[in-house]
Amino acid sequence: DIQMTQSPSSLSASVGDRVTITCRASQTINNYLHWYQQKSGEAPRLLIYTTSRLQSGIPSRFSGSGSGTDFTLTISSLQPEDFATYYCQQSYSNPTFGQGTRLEIK
Amino acid sequence: EVQLVQSGAEVKKPGESLKISCKGSGYKFTSYWIGWVRQMPGKGLEWIGNIYAADSDTRYSPSFQGQVTISADKSINTAYLEWSSLKASDTAIYYCARKYTGFDFWGQGTLVTVSS
Repeated sequence: DIQMTQSPSSLSASVGDRVTITCRASQTINNYLHWYQQKSGEAPRLLIYTTSRLQSGIPSRFSGSGSGTDFTLTISSLQPEDFATYYCQQSYSNPTFGQGTRLEIK
Repeated sequence: EVQLVQSGAEVKKPGESLKISCKGSGYKFTSYWIGWVRQMPGKGLEWIGNIYAADSDTRYSPSFQGQVTISADKSINTAYLEWSSLKASDTAIYYCARKYTGFDFWGQGTLVTVSS
């Protein structure tokens, strides 16, 4: 299986901050990388698919980039509703998720 | 509107069997794969497997192969996840999700609690 490693595992930030979360794959996954947001007690929600495509209904402050093995999710200006856990996931082979990044209010 | 509606929470004893369900609506159920994902208490997301309802082609994570069975009934737009003998370590929330490129629509989750 392809291993997905996110960093950091947790992050404290303030409303209005620009935040970047990184995801590294154990081998190349081309652009088959997706990002999810999960709030406490809720199902995950797809934010970004195939590295940089914004899912319908997701605010434009979310963006994704990367290639090969290294990918990033950026939130340009944190809003109160963005405090949640974020997961990356590859679909180049059998799906695997990163371990998650918990984004907390500073 | 695309929806995946899962069956309700279950409390079972070790060794019991269980089958939970995921009913799709608002789209052509047989045109997409459905995936199952486990989330153990306080932990991250783990892919269990996928099924293509049109022909019941099924793929499993090596970690779950032989531990669960995924099936579907395309006549009622429903996918299933089944255990023949539950263990306490199966206690988790189980999500179904529609696979497009990523998993674009998710069910609300089914909490399975296995306790003696």
